Amino acid sequence: DTAVSQTPKYLVTQMGNDKSIKCEQNLGHDTMYWYKQDSKKFLKIMFSYNNKELIINETVPNRFSPKSPDKAHLNLHINSLELGDSAVYFCASSQKQGTMNTEAFFGQGTRLTVV
Amino acid sequence: QKEVEQNSGPLSVPEGAIASLNCTYSDRGSQSFFWYRQYSGKSPELIMSIYSNGDKEDGRFTAQLNKASQYVSLLIRDSQPSDSATYLCAVWKYSGGGADGLTFGKGTHLIIQP
Repeated sequence: DTAVSQTPKYLVTQMGNDKSIKCEQNLGHDTMYWYKQDSKKFLKIMFSYNNKELIINETVPNRFSPKSPDKAHLNLHINSLELGDSAVYFCASSQKQGTMNTEAFFGQGTRLTVV
Repeated sequence: QKEVEQNSGPLSVPEGAIASLNCTYSDRGSQSFFWYRQYSGKSPELIMSIYSNGDKEDGRFTAQLNKASQYVSLLIRDSQPSDSATYLCAVWKYSGGGADGLTFGKGTHLIIQP
């Protein structure tokens, strides 16, 4: 059983299109995340979503929007795609215990290429 | 000052030797620290977690934490060619204006030479 799964694994699309990436976790975690890994391999958080509370990294353009239908899913919608959006996007999940977070587990990544 | 700093490498270590990876962090309030391994084209895979000062051992891996010095390290004993990967140091970040999640260093590229 895959703990954190995301689809698709690869996504090639034209500039200006709107696309979505889906993420599901079966770990029973209460917090999910989206990370972006750029061409220099730097992993940076985009969003965290916990118990209907969304925290957005201030550098993320508002063309990106996460949608959570339930605790096990956090999908990423991207509008008006730009060339600079090309990257690998990782979904992750973790469990909060008091004031601390346990380990985060990552999905296999979605390589987005905008042409 | 960058929040989590690592030497990008590459760090080249002979097979069978000890590989030593280092990381410093800027937020003194950080409570949870992690090492992830990432092979090229794959997702980050958790190797070790450490929450209190001192050493934590798991098989060939030992994580060391010194909160006073804001320093985390990972030792890999009896290094194998399969250990060749990028090792990411990560710290939980809690901030009012930003996303509550892991802050990563840029990673150290480790090469184990047969």
